[in-house]
Amino acid sequence: DTAVSQTPKYLVTQMGNDKSIKCEQNLGHDTMYWYKQDSKKFLKIMFSYNNKELIINETVPNRFSPKSPDKAHLNLHINSLELGDSAVYFCASSQVQGSSYEQYFGPGTRLTVT
Amino acid sequence: LAKTTQPISMDSYEGQEVNITCSHNNIATNDYITWYQQFPSQGPRFIIQGYKTKVTNEVASLFIPADRKSSTLSLPRVSLSDTAVYYCLVGDEGGSYIPTFGRGTSLIVHP
Repeated sequence: DTAVSQTPKYLVTQMGNDKSIKCEQNLGHDTMYWYKQDSKKFLKIMFSYNNKELIINETVPNRFSPKSPDKAHLNLHINSLELGDSAVYFCASSQVQGSSYEQYFGPGTRLTVT
Repeated sequence: LAKTTQPISMDSYEGQEVNITCSHNNIATNDYITWYQQFPSQGPRFIIQGYKTKVTNEVASLFIPADRKSSTLSLPRVSLSDTAVYYCLVGDEGGSYIPTFGRGTSLIVHP
């Protein structure tokens, strides 16, 4: 009964490839997020969607494109992968947007670009 | 983005109380302060959230002074399983409610 799930858990690929990471939440939340955690464990928000609408887009290269087919899913597609894209990507969801930051995170997808 | 400052690391022993302070001098008026715990190879887990004064739940307490420029996460009687990274989270300084994590505090609990 996983609340926020991500697939795949590990992703190893070569530079220049295109890959996708999928996220699903069964909490009935309206808002979903993508975060990137680098090797120094710094967590930085990338995108946020509320009811399938993009509300946060934080200086992320346009090689990254989020897609929200419905409010329970938020996928991340990455084109032309680069070495610097290697990181752990976390999906999260929350009941509300705004000043309350109570979020539920998925287990993460470790992306390694070689 | 809001700048938050936390100690990089802390050490404690089983059974002790641990207090981790985060400074957020430019927190927006309507922003909440949220703390997360992260174990290796897992996603962050929500611990506690508050706006002012003191909040307590079954896991921790959160103390927020009147000026809200800092907050202190208090973990009572820690155990080895509390060894983790603890992050404080506030919104960006512009008041756009963009969640901004601190650098995290690595807590190691010793037997």
